[in-house]
Amino acid sequence: DVKLVESGGGVVQPGRSLRLSCAASGFTFDDYAMHWVRQAPGKGLEWVAGITWNGGNLGYADSVKGRFTISRDNAKNSLYLQMNSLRAEDSALYLCTGDTYSSSSYYGMDVWGQGTTVSVSS
Amino acid sequence: VLTQFPATLSLSPGERATLSCRASQSVNNFLAWYQHKSGQAPRLLIYGGFNRAPGVPARFSGSGSGTDFTLTISSLEPEDFAVYYCQQRRWWPTFGQGTRLQIK
Repeated sequence: DVKLVESGGGVVQPGRSLRLSCAASGFTFDDYAMHWVRQAPGKGLEWVAGITWNGGNLGYADSVKGRFTISRDNAKNSLYLQMNSLRAEDSALYLCTGDTYSSSSYYGMDVWGQGTTVSVSS
Repeated sequence: VLTQFPATLSLSPGERATLSCRASQSVNNFLAWYQHKSGQAPRLLIYGGFNRAPGVPARFSGSGSGTDFTLTISSLEPEDFAVYYCQQRRWWPTFGQGTRLQIK
């Protein structure tokens, strides 16, 4: 079974840090670019950060650039998100997902976790 | 930027649904559609603009290229009422703001 399981969410005060993890199983992890996507209460899906299959290229939404760091460990089939200087507006369900593509085709985000909730509040 | 319209679509089971997604710049065919129900992970429906993902019913179809894309559901089933997102991968991903498909 293809599985992505997120962990590490919780309640944290503004300005503090949190590290999310995503454990992958049931598919070839290093075939995939991996991403963190979040959904704030009552809002739509927002891409947060992405990393290529080998970790050679990283990307961030403007809203988190300079505060969040994405990383992966292919030997452990794991994805991470280090979140620093957290703000109230970072409160959301954080979902781990992966996609594949070539120079001419895109195959979509076909693996998803159920998410871990982050709440930033004093 | 991806713009979806309408924001909300109210239809009855059996009717045809047409959802639109417009990109501010060409994304070629690097576009996907997802169905999202509350409490569940998003589900990939369409990739590469028009390819159905495995297990997706034939009533779902995607069309378009460049900047204008459409997701069509030919005859709505009760389980199709959900929020639908388009997403581009020409660059790092972005999602449209979603179309809520609700029962009339």
